[in-house]
Amino acid sequence: DQQVKQNSPSLSVQEGRISILNCDYTNSMFDYFLWYKKYPAEGPTFLISISSIKDKNEDGRFTVFLNKSAKHLSLHIVPSQPGDSAVYFCAALRLSGTYKYIFGTGTRLKVLA
Amino acid sequence: DSGVTQTPKHLITATGQRVTLRCSPRSGDLSVYWYQQSLDQGLQFLIQYYNGEERAKGNILERFSAQQFPDLHSELNLSSLELGDSALYFCASSSRTSGHLGGEQFFGPGTRLTVL
Repeated sequence: DQQVKQNSPSLSVQEGRISILNCDYTNSMFDYFLWYKKYPAEGPTFLISISSIKDKNEDGRFTVFLNKSAKHLSLHIVPSQPGDSAVYFCAALRLSGTYKYIFGTGTRLKVLA
Repeated sequence: DSGVTQTPKHLITATGQRVTLRCSPRSGDLSVYWYQQSLDQGLQFLIQYYNGEERAKGNILERFSAQQFPDLHSELNLSSLELGDSALYFCASSSRTSGHLGGEQFFGPGTRLTVL
């Protein structure tokens, strides 16, 4: 039962354009949603998060949008840079009741110079 | 550098064997998490410790166990190893038990386990 899904395993974007990474979830009880970036041979690094009571959070070139009715979140990177090429994982965190920290399977982003 | 260290970096062993993976969290972090990443899979949460106590359990097999010591380092023990246990094992730490203010975790570089 995959509660957090990233349906696109890969994405290629031209440098300077917008990258949009998508994530869907099935459980409406999550309290936070997070995005992590992972380079080869390294552990994931935290990128940005959003509380379930918000619908948008922005940090520099990165913006996360949350659509609770659709149980969907997306990460926008504008403008995309070659250094953004990595695997991006979305994660969902539930604090109340049974603790859950669930990662998606990741989307490999390639930014073309 | 996240400040989380994991040893060893690589481990090659045979089926049926037992191994121990070690993690040192960031200075001051009380929470330690263990994750397994198999080929083409997302990160599977295994277990969380907070200040020496088990706090949450995920998809951890009975053949696996973990503990967190008084100095806050943690060990993940994998026994009766099977071929399917080959994976990257990540440790992460955070300063908060339940992830207030966004739930950010800091990940180590991982231990790559190969079971032959």
